[in-house]
Amino acid sequence: QVQLVQYGAEVKKPGASVKVSCKTSGYPFTGYYLHWVRQAPGQGLEWMGWINPDSGATKYAQKFQGWVTMTRDTSVSTAFMELSSLRSDDPAVYYCARDLRGDGIYFDSWGQGTLVTVST
Amino acid sequence: SSELTQDPAVSVALGQTVRITCRGDSLRGNYASWYQQKPGQAPVIVMYGKNNRPSGIPARFSGSTSGTTASLTITGAAAEDEADYYCKVRDSTTFPGVVFGGGTRLTVL
Repeated sequence: QVQLVQYGAEVKKPGASVKVSCKTSGYPFTGYYLHWVRQAPGQGLEWMGWINPDSGATKYAQKFQGWVTMTRDTSVSTAFMELSSLRSDDPAVYYCARDLRGDGIYFDSWGQGTLVTVST
Repeated sequence: SSELTQDPAVSVALGQTVRITCRGDSLRGNYASWYQQKPGQAPVIVMYGKNNRPSGIPARFSGSTSGTTASLTITGAAAEDEADYYCKVRDSTTFPGVVFGGGTRLTVL
């Protein structure tokens, strides 16, 4: 079955970078866009951007431009989201989600999320 | 504007009907998708398109859109429906990027 697997947690210092992975299985990795969504503690969902695993093309929300980089490794069916210069308001759970139809309407499968903590 | 506005919290008595709304200019001519999120879990899609329920979503969930307001209605709310609900709409400037509403906490009394 379709699975998106993310590691549980990362602890980083302010100013550092974090690279979150999303390992997929159960479907053709290059056939479906992947989106990244974050959720700060007690807050709502925030869309960060998408990657086309086939071409590697990306698009980021304006807020994250210049600050986030989304990549993929097709050999291991894994997408990555790297956030640089972590700040005190960056702690959140970061999710990857598969776009079933490639049109932003139907996110059918989600990773379990990676909790990123920013602490000195 | 791509912003979507939701009421922060709504409550409903067990077995009664509740409507969760989502407002925004970007809903004009577009349908919202709706996601349910329970504590400690990833979101799950419960409604998309004009009024489409994914497989496994109970028939008590329905959706509608009028102008710039989308609604998710639960007819006969069950205890397990208590969760956060988020609307989502496509953003033409980042297609297939999206915008999420702020979320509504549904309490079933």
